[in-house]
Amino acid sequence: DAKTTQPPSMDCAEGRAANLPCNHSTISGNEYVYWYRQIHSQGPQYIIHGLKNNETNEMASLIITEDRKSSTLILPHATLRDTAVYYCIVRVFFGGGSQGNLIFGKGTKLSVKP
Amino acid sequence: EAQVTQNPRYLITVTGKKLTVTCSQNMNHEYMSWYRQDPGLGLRQIYYSMNVEVTDKGDVPEGYKVSRKEKRNFPLILESPSPNQTSLYFCASSRGQARSPLHFGNGTRLTVT
Repeated sequence: DAKTTQPPSMDCAEGRAANLPCNHSTISGNEYVYWYRQIHSQGPQYIIHGLKNNETNEMASLIITEDRKSSTLILPHATLRDTAVYYCIVRVFFGGGSQGNLIFGKGTKLSVKP
Repeated sequence: EAQVTQNPRYLITVTGKKLTVTCSQNMNHEYMSWYRQDPGLGLRQIYYSMNVEVTDKGDVPEGYKVSRKEKRNFPLILESPSPNQTSLYFCASSRGQARSPLHFGNGTRLTVT
């Protein structure tokens, strides 16, 4: 079972910030939060990841709550090309076995509208 | 350009006819993995490899084989394909550390009739 909970869908106006929430209440201390997105049926694309601190890169920002039980992915200025399914994933510490697996849930379908 | 390349992109075959889907990465990654994606079931791991000659089963390995004879290649082999293996397949690679993101290929859509 996926260890994260995301809303199934969200809409966002073009040019506005898209804030995608994720709950991961059972996260443990050595687990990272990863975000990927999948546009249509292309391969999932890495966006950003973090452990405790907020992170920012050229694509997005990741805000992790202090208790690490939830996070928010922020796309600061959404465009039509950002329409995709966004997956929030908790990655178990890499050490072999299924610990190397990324458990993808159903994600959030983000629709950016003109 | 750093990438994971899968071939073919589309494949239609018949039950029982052996096939191989190739996967190659040019990033010198130790870790490689195969996933299948089905409607309503999300992405599920088939097999993974921590390094050359080291492979292990994921969550849904039945009916599949893999090999890792060299670092860059990780082919997926279906010895006797069946219709329930009709799916969208993704290969992925990473440096194999907890902080290292997976890089995915563009997928192979397989139909077994």
